[in-house]
Amino acid sequence: GEDVEQSLFLSVREGDSSVINCTYTDSSSTYLYWYKQEPGAGLQLLTYIFSNMDMKQDQRLTVLLNKKDKHLSLRIADTQTGDSAIYFCAEYQSSTDKLIFGTGTRLQVFP
Amino acid sequence: EAQVTQNPRYLITVTGKKLTVTCSQNMNHEYMSWYRQDPGLGLRQIYYSMNVEVTDKGDVPEGYKVSRKEKRNFPLILESPSPNQTSLYFCASSPTGDPYEQYFGPGTRLTVT
Repeated sequence: GEDVEQSLFLSVREGDSSVINCTYTDSSSTYLYWYKQEPGAGLQLLTYIFSNMDMKQDQRLTVLLNKKDKHLSLRIADTQTGDSAIYFCAEYQSSTDKLIFGTGTRLQVFP
Repeated sequence: EAQVTQNPRYLITVTGKKLTVTCSQNMNHEYMSWYRQDPGLGLRQIYYSMNVEVTDKGDVPEGYKVSRKEKRNFPLILESPSPNQTSLYFCASSPTGDPYEQYFGPGTRLTVT
């Protein structure tokens, strides 16, 4: 199957860490992505990880990939109100040459 | 400024009235794509184009047409819109002929009554 699954909502307190999880099904995925969608805007590429990597860190963002379990996570350290948005994970399937998006996780940050 | 632009941003129309949503990118990207975003379904690809005069169906192409006569433009055409095409539409482009690292436009919210 092609499903990419995410939980729909996450609520965190400002200053805490947020962890957004994603599971995918296609073992041929070569790249996995995290996109951020702010209200009324398009998707913005946040970061990506190649399938032969376990972890990638970029400032406050840490991406963890467990290829055996087909599990991807995005950790946002010191979450701020400006991080409130919908976060989409996506996998690029080389077998089908397609980019498959998850349903998105709405992150709400409260003071 | 490097960007993907879409017009219009908002459109309300009636069933059966042909419409076109334009998409343009100024980054000389080869790959362009259209998605629709619906609650609980994420983004689903409608059509994509790997280069000029090359277009292919995505996952939900029914009821849509596209064309790629120039590298920068990739319009989405609804010949006879229906209410189930009410959605938020995104155009995206990528610097290579592949769909990863896509840059998205701001979206077009279409309502068909």
